[in-house]
Amino acid sequence: GAGVSQTPSNKVTEKGKYVELRCDPISGHTALYWYRQSLGQGPEFLIYFQGTGAADDSGLPNDRFFAVRPEGSVSTLKIQRTERGDSAVYLCASSLMPNSPLHFGNGTRLTVT
Amino acid sequence: GESVGLHLPTLSVQEGDNSIINCAYSNSASDYFIWYKQESGKGPQFIIDIRSNMDKRQGQRVTVLLNKTVKHLSLQIAATQPGDSAVYFCAEKGLDGATNKLIFGTGTLLAVQP
Repeated sequence: GAGVSQTPSNKVTEKGKYVELRCDPISGHTALYWYRQSLGQGPEFLIYFQGTGAADDSGLPNDRFFAVRPEGSVSTLKIQRTERGDSAVYLCASSLMPNSPLHFGNGTRLTVT
Repeated sequence: GESVGLHLPTLSVQEGDNSIINCAYSNSASDYFIWYKQESGKGPQFIIDIRSNMDKRQGQRVTVLLNKTVKHLSLQIAATQPGDSAVYFCAEKGLDGATNKLIFGTGTLLAVQP
């Protein structure tokens, strides 16, 4: 069956630009998560949605980062005024229920030049 | 030169041998643990999980052991195959409902020699 889908798979942008990263979770999964992974490191939590609401956004590094999930399915991670330090792989995951295993997409590799 | 982040702990094994990957977790309040496998260019893939009321759980060719006394988790892979080559992460979280945040360790690179 279809897994978590993330688009684009790669994004190159210039410092200061705005970017949007999209996540299509597995159909029927109520919980959705965004993680960020730097080279050689484990994924770092950014934000968790239960349904349409952000239940925990404690991992967002600053107010340049924002995420939405308006209909409880697709989610968009938005980064304003990108900086070179934002370069990383942004991973999305979904789970059937909050305490079910997370299923990850293949990520969007963001490069800020 | 290389960046610090590229120095992953590495385990090199011969095809057919058993592999043991270790992980020390940080939070004594964590009560749910998961092992993930990550191949190059892909997202982490769920392997096996274990709750804190258990100390061992077996799957197909994999076994997870949990020692809560010393906050240690291990993943055993039987008859390791070249397709097992990847980075393996342990992850932890609490089940108390206060947060659903999954915390990942730094990862171990498993290299299987044919």
